[in-house]
Amino acid sequence: GGIITQTPKFLIGQEGQKLTLKCQQNFNHDTMYWYRQDSGKGLRLIYYSITENDLQKGDLSEGYDASREKKSSFSLTVTSAQKNEMAVFLCASSYNNQAPLFGEGTRLSVL
Amino acid sequence: LAKTTQPPSMEAYEGQEVNVSCSHTNIATSEYIYWYRQVPHQGPQFIIQGYKDYVVNEVASLFISADRKLSTLSLPWVSLRDAAVYYCIVTALSGSFNKLTFGAGTRLAVCP
Repeated sequence: GGIITQTPKFLIGQEGQKLTLKCQQNFNHDTMYWYRQDSGKGLRLIYYSITENDLQKGDLSEGYDASREKKSSFSLTVTSAQKNEMAVFLCASSYNNQAPLFGEGTRLSVL
Repeated sequence: LAKTTQPPSMEAYEGQEVNVSCSHTNIATSEYIYWYRQVPHQGPQFIIQGYKDYVVNEVASLFISADRKLSTLSLPWVSLRDAAVYYCIVTALSGSFNKLTFGAGTRLAVCP
């Protein structure tokens, strides 16, 4: 079976710092997604990509950049970390009309 | 896009059958119903999806009302491992991109 791997699992940053989160999938899925989840809340879509080098903004793209240089990987950059920010960033991938599958998440804390 | 309404929390004992309801009164003909669950420190896990009537897999059953405005996820014989937040999502299949809009979900507590 396939797997979605997110690195790092935990990320501690400083205010104003640029931080990069990585996601790899070996399902050979076309579409990849980045979601943000705040404590006790649902998920919000930041960016998605339907193929290599494609990028589409989601509902929460401001303050983030993304990169899809290979079909198997999708990176998310927090362009300027906000003080006291705490959230979980979830990567997902999907193929055609199948339900997206999720990774375990990267937990971000900003000091 | 259809909006879903779920109870915020439920409680059950191990071994019980649990039915989690989801109302989607404005569901469009193009939209499917997905259920995910999420345990602490993990990403959401896909459980089941359906369009109408009744769907069953090795984990759960999904009942969809005739007018498709209500669906019920049924979990037989719950265990402590089934304690999680359960999300009902309604979305149209659109080829490569399947946008999932997650609400607050239903938090299921399972007591021994």
